[in-house]
Amino acid sequence: NAGVTQTPKFQVLKTGQSMTLQCAQDMNHEYMSWYRQDPGMGLRLIHYSVGAGITDQGEVPNGYNVSRSTTEDFPLRLLSAAPSQTSVYFCASSKRQGGVTEAFFGQGTRLTVV
Amino acid sequence: AQRVTQPEKLLSVFKGAPVELKCNYSYSGSPELFWYVQYSRQRLQLLLRHISRESIKGFTADLNKGETSFHLKKPFAQEEDSAMYYCAPSGGNTPLVFGKGTRLSVIA
Repeated sequence: NAGVTQTPKFQVLKTGQSMTLQCAQDMNHEYMSWYRQDPGMGLRLIHYSVGAGITDQGEVPNGYNVSRSTTEDFPLRLLSAAPSQTSVYFCASSKRQGGVTEAFFGQGTRLTVV
Repeated sequence: AQRVTQPEKLLSVFKGAPVELKCNYSYSGSPELFWYVQYSRQRLQLLLRHISRESIKGFTADLNKGETSFHLKKPFAQEEDSAMYYCAPSGGNTPLVFGKGTRLSVIA
């Protein structure tokens, strides 16, 4: 059972480039989320989805887009990378059982924007 | 607004000493509360949840609704407990909201 899989693990981008961080889960979870982790800032929510076709913004959505065409996949797109987006990105999924339950995390993507 | 406060960025204790990682929350309704742990170069993983009332790796956490706190405790710290710890409430259909985390360093 793979759980939550993120690709790539590491990425270096030049300012202005675009890219997509991939996230896939095989647990049939309804909820999926993207967080960024920065020193001293903890984990901040970027975007989330409560089911296929439904997405919503989190605390820090600017500069990022998401879509949820299938239950399994929740890609995060950086439209025009900026140095401020240098961070570690985590994808998470949760099962819906009368609300959000335990979140399972991917291994993270370390992104550097130069 | 939903808010989680972990007042200590870094907590250093000696091996065998008691540990308490503080968490206070401001949340509407009756949230479910979690503690997550991130060991060096690993993904975040669930440590425990208040609804289970269990002890994991010697850690316990009691929900105090009056003080809106969910402090994590362990009577005797071990070196392998060194990690980042995050408190996270959840409610309704919104994702987990994480505190800024506390780095626990256990000194031999």
